[in-house]
Amino acid sequence: NAGVTQTPKFQVLKTGQSMTLQCAQDMNHEYMSWYRQDPGMGLRLIHYSVGAGITDQGEVPNGYNVSRSTTEDFPLRLLSAAPSQTSVYFCASSRLAGGADTQYFGPGTRLTVL
Amino acid sequence: QQQVKQSPQSLIVQKGGISIINCAYENTAFDYFPWYQQFPGKGPALLIAIRPDVSEKKEGRFTISFNKSAKQFSLHIMDSQPGDSATYFCAASIRGSARQLTFGSGTQLTVLP
Repeated sequence: NAGVTQTPKFQVLKTGQSMTLQCAQDMNHEYMSWYRQDPGMGLRLIHYSVGAGITDQGEVPNGYNVSRSTTEDFPLRLLSAAPSQTSVYFCASSRLAGGADTQYFGPGTRLTVL
Repeated sequence: QQQVKQSPQSLIVQKGGISIINCAYENTAFDYFPWYQQFPGKGPALLIAIRPDVSEKKEGRFTISFNKSAKQFSLHIMDSQPGDSATYFCAASIRGSARQLTFGSGTQLTVLP
């Protein structure tokens, strides 16, 4: 199993550009999440999904959209990139809800917005 | 509003020493408390977790101590090794809730050889 995969690994955007961060998992997990990691702030939840077709907002959802058309994929869209969105983005999946099960994280995407 | 507060921000320990990282939470509905370990350039990985019905859980050199009345929990790394050098995150969640983990701010641990 590849686990959780994320692409790209690095990305540089200009302010106002849009892009999609890809995330896929091959463990047949129902629950998937996106986090952003910033120095001194830990990981903050952006959006999460409890299954195909079902998504909800996390702690810091503004400026991001998600969709979940299949169990395997959970892309994160930046609508109009801003410098405040410079961060490292992690996708995670788990078998159970509420984090009460091991969350498997991808390797991350390092995004810089100029 | 940070619901899980973690300290210290950074920690330097000699090889063979004990590393202690502390976390405090506010939401009494939290009932699952994992610790994640992250090496540079990698995603976090589950290290050890505890539920509030026990006061301590030990796995090898890693121990979680839990104090429900004080709403605090801590990670102890015994006989710390240079390979333990990483960033450690405490987290909390509510079992059965669709919402995922709330993380602390992280502790960068350096174990000197």
